[in-house]
Amino acid sequence: AQSVTQPDIHITVSEGASLELRCNYSYGATPYLFWYVQSPGQGLQLLLKYFSGDTLVQGIKGFEAEFKRSQSSFNLRKPSVHWSDAAEYFCAVGASGNTGKLIFGQGTTLQVKP
Amino acid sequence: SQTIHQWPATLVQPVGSPLSLECTVEGTSNPNLYWYRQAAGRGLQLLFYSVGIGQISSEVPQNLSASRPQDRQFILSSKKLLLSDSGFYLCAWSVGTSGELNYGYTFGSGTRLTVV
Repeated sequence: AQSVTQPDIHITVSEGASLELRCNYSYGATPYLFWYVQSPGQGLQLLLKYFSGDTLVQGIKGFEAEFKRSQSSFNLRKPSVHWSDAAEYFCAVGASGNTGKLIFGQGTTLQVKP
Repeated sequence: SQTIHQWPATLVQPVGSPLSLECTVEGTSNPNLYWYRQAAGRGLQLLFYSVGIGQISSEVPQNLSASRPQDRQFILSSKKLLLSDSGFYLCAWSVGTSGELNYGYTFGSGTRLTVV
């Protein structure tokens, strides 16, 4: 069965520092992988996605993620964090096919110190 | 362009009362539709999904039900709410049968349900 693990429940970084949020997935074939961001009380916004091709994908708001099949990982990175990046981040894995279901990780809450 | 509407934004309901949350999508046809629940500190749990009118799949046994009376309308219901039904409910849609999960989901803005 598909599953997603985000090992870090809460991360605090200083503004301007680099960021890496971890995501590990379990899936038998090549997965569809996503990162979403959620501001408090809001829905989720898609940051970036991977389904094939270049394993380093660029997203919105200066984020990028790298798919590493050997490590079953899809970590999210940003070189310099801004205070407005404080939010909850979700990694998700899905399978192609009719249902299009996504399985989400538990989420990582990012706090940004001034 | 496609948009998704979800209402109400917040709801406070007594235990034992009924529930109806509505989600509609515009600008697309035959979408896949999903209901997720987000409880504090527990991530997103898929409750129901639908690949077509009248086709509902339930992911977890619970006190809730879903219906899809029209192509772009998805309703989450309960006959009698429990305290444990409190949470943040999110509706989402994705490209349907013709395609491609690589488009990902588009989420509604959510409904905060508090059962008292």
